[in-house]
Order: sequence, then structure tokens, then C-alpha cells
Amino acid sequence: SQTIHQWPATLVQPVGSPLSLECTVEGTSNPNLYWYRQAAGRGLQLLFYSVGIGQISSEVPQNLSASRPQDRQFILSSKKLLLSDSGFYLCAWSSQGAQPQHFGDGTRLSIL
Amino acid sequence: DAKTTQPPSMDCAEGRAANLPCNHSTISGNEYVYWYRQIHSQGPQYIIHGLKNNETNEMASLIITEDRKSSTLILPHATLRDTAVYYCIVRARTQGGSEKLVFGKGTKLTVNP
Repeated sequence: SQTIHQWPATLVQPVGSPLSLECTVEGTSNPNLYWYRQAAGRGLQLLFYSVGIGQISSEVPQNLSASRPQDRQFILSSKKLLLSDSGFYLCAWSSQGAQPQHFGDGTRLSIL
Repeated sequence: DAKTTQPPSMDCAEGRAANLPCNHSTISGNEYVYWYRQIHSQGPQYIIHGLKNNETNEMASLIITEDRKSSTLILPHATLRDTAVYYCIVRARTQGGSEKLVFGKGTKLTVNP
């Protein structure tokens, strides 16, 4: 069966520090991969999605970037974090076509 | 992108059926309706999805009206662990042609003992 892993589960970082969140999927090949952010008390916002290695699309302009160095690995990064980057970051995967997305357990990021 | 409208909150007694409504009057012919739920501090959990026929799985049933403008998620025997925010989503296309989930505010379902 397919599984998705995100780490770390929680992270506290100072303003201006770099960020790297990792997401990996097991049990499937060539998945679509997604990064979402959920601000406190709000819905999920799609940040990035990828349909293949090295293929990244951004949904909203922001201080973050994403990369997909391997088929089942998706990384969310920032060179310098802002206070507004705080939130709950979720990685998801789906098969091709009208298939449901499956989410990881998320990373709760707090910026001080 | 089709929008969805859900009641902000609902209550249900443990052991009874929970019926969660969703309006999606602007849905287009090739858009699916997806249901997810999110328990506090966890990632959303996929429940069920459908196009125009009613669907059932081990978690829930999905009833879609014939005109597809609304749907109802049914949890046949709600338990305390079903307390969560339930999201009804119509799958929208991203700018690049892939598909994204647009989450609204959902329905906060509270199952009471």
C-alpha cells in the first residue's frame, strides 16, 4: 500500500533562517505531488504541485520554493523565513487522473 | 472553479447517522465531488468521491442529486472519533492544467455521547 511521510512534525525557526521540509511517498511511481499550507483557522492553500521529476508549478507568489529531485521526493524550501511563513504545511500525493489526493501528517512551522 | 457551500457546524448523537449537506450549484459536467475530513492537528483524510452516481465505501456514503447541484455525505453510525471538520470539494484545475483541491471552511461535526 502507499504511504506518505513528512518530517519534521513540528519546527520552530527564527526569522531569516533557511527552511527545508521533506516529503516522500512509498508504494507508487510517478505520483503527482503537492505542497499546501494551512494558516491558523483557515482552509488549505495550494503552494506547489509537481507532475514529474524536476517539474514544479507554483500556484501563488511567495517566499518559498519547491523541488523534486527524485520521483517520490518533494522538498519545500526557503532561503530566509518570514513571520508570515508560519503555518501548517501539508504534502499530498495522487495518482494520475481524477484520483483523490492523500495527505501526510503535516509539519507545524512556527517562526519567532 | 465551482464553489461549495456547507453549514459551518452540525451536531450528531453517537450511533446515529450524520448527514452532511453540500451545495455546488455551479459544478460542471466533468468535475468530481470529493469529501475529506480533518481532525485537529492532522492532515486531511480522504473519505469518498463521486461524479454523478451514489457511492459507498467502508467509511461513508455519498448521495449526489440528479442535477448534481448538491450532495450529502452520510456517516451511517457516527462515533466520537468522527468529530472533525468535513470538507466538500469540487476538483478544480490549476493554471498549469493539473488539478488542485480548493478547501473552503467546511462543516465542523461534533458527535456527542
